[in-house]
Amino acid sequence: DVKVTQSSRYLVKRTGEKVFLECVQDMDHENMFWYRQDPGLGLRLIYFSYDVKMKEKGDIPEGYSVSREKKERFSLILESASTNQTSMYLCASSLDSFSGNTIYFGEGSWLTVV
Amino acid sequence: SQQGEEDPQALSIQEGENATMNCSYKTSINNLQWYRQNSGRGLVHLILIRSNEREKHSGRLRVTLDTSKKSSSLLITASRAADTASYFCATDAQTDSWGKLQFGAGTQVVVTP
Repeated sequence: DVKVTQSSRYLVKRTGEKVFLECVQDMDHENMFWYRQDPGLGLRLIYFSYDVKMKEKGDIPEGYSVSREKKERFSLILESASTNQTSMYLCASSLDSFSGNTIYFGEGSWLTVV
Repeated sequence: SQQGEEDPQALSIQEGENATMNCSYKTSINNLQWYRQNSGRGLVHLILIRSNEREKHSGRLRVTLDTSKKSSSLLITASRAADTASYFCATDAQTDSWGKLQFGAGTQVVVTP
């Protein structure tokens, strides 16, 4: 079974802090994604990566950056956390960039910025 | 941008009844997938239907796709309390896809015993 592991389930951070959300997948998938989920808005894509050191902006990249130094690990970085970034963050992976692949999700990281 | 929109936003039914939810999308797609999310958890893939398919079954799930109307429906037959979850449709656009999926806002389903 594919496993996508998000290192932190619940985090509370202060405004202005730098925040790292870590994600690891164990199936040698090429694609990895970071989504943000808010009530009534569904899932919105922040960034995705189709290969090591490669990244593409999603629909809402402002205020975020990502890092993919190794194939299995994809990190989301909030350079200076703000209260409007309080949300649930979902990491996901898929085999490659071809159409029709299932996306496998982690359990989510609940971030509260105070 | 949000590609899919589910309808209704919420659905409450009793065990044994069928649950139907709909998804509409805006642009041409390669395929459409449905995912399920239990409260506070990640999403889990349920079923995929390709743009050249009209109907697909998996256990108690039945999915239809009408590309002329840009819509899909998910039917859960003989629902159980364990089906209580949010259900999302996700589309894979024909252009500029890179394997990305665009998700709707979801339908929250509550099945009461």
